[in-house]
Amino acid sequence: GAVVSQHPSWVICKSGTSVKIECRSLDFQATTMFWYRQFPKQSLMLMATSNEGSKATYEQGVEKDKFLINHASLTLSTLTVTSAHPEDSSFYICSAREHRPTGILAKNIQYFGAGTRLSVL
Amino acid sequence: AQKVTQAQTEISVVEKEDVTLDCVYETRDTTYYLFWYKQPPSGELVFLIRRNSFDEQNEISGRYSWNFQKSTSSFNFTITASQVVDSAVYFCVLGQRAGTASKLTFGTGTRLQVTL
Repeated sequence: GAVVSQHPSWVICKSGTSVKIECRSLDFQATTMFWYRQFPKQSLMLMATSNEGSKATYEQGVEKDKFLINHASLTLSTLTVTSAHPEDSSFYICSAREHRPTGILAKNIQYFGAGTRLSVL
Repeated sequence: AQKVTQAQTEISVVEKEDVTLDCVYETRDTTYYLFWYKQPPSGELVFLIRRNSFDEQNEISGRYSWNFQKSTSSFNFTITASQVVDSAVYFCVLGQRAGTASKLTFGTGTRLQVTL
């Protein structure tokens, strides 16, 4: 259980185009999903927290208009990199936290997708 | 502010050796979570273990064990009888308490290389 699917796994695009990355929780519901960015040989940096049915919360220094996040359902969040430039080339990883009804302690474990490697030419 | 320090950037061991990965964290929260995740070359992050700040009991799970010392803010992770498949980058992660957005703060990672 607790599988998170991320698609695509690899994308190459031209500078100026937009790229959409999907993150799906396959066997559980996730009220909260997270988007991270990882540069080569570096750690993961949280970009934003995506909440189902509401606006995403962005970390300091992350451009909201550049990285559009939509969390339309309990199993799907999308990240769109708008007008991509070479400096946006990176490894993007999503994670999902399993939803727990009120009164039950959350497992508080984030399950991660396999990541999307974005290369902007 | 939350911070996780993994002083070891790279470790190389020979198969069957035991290896301990060090982790020191900083937080002002009184309740928090600690995790270890593994990232093999494929890139996917694999959840290994989780610990609550209010439970300092150390356990063993298969070849994995951990040593959580709240007094020194350390959460070390040990792999017993290492195998080549254990080669990966290991991240120590600090999570905020339940009921919040559960934001995670990652350490810089320790690259483990297990050779024959």
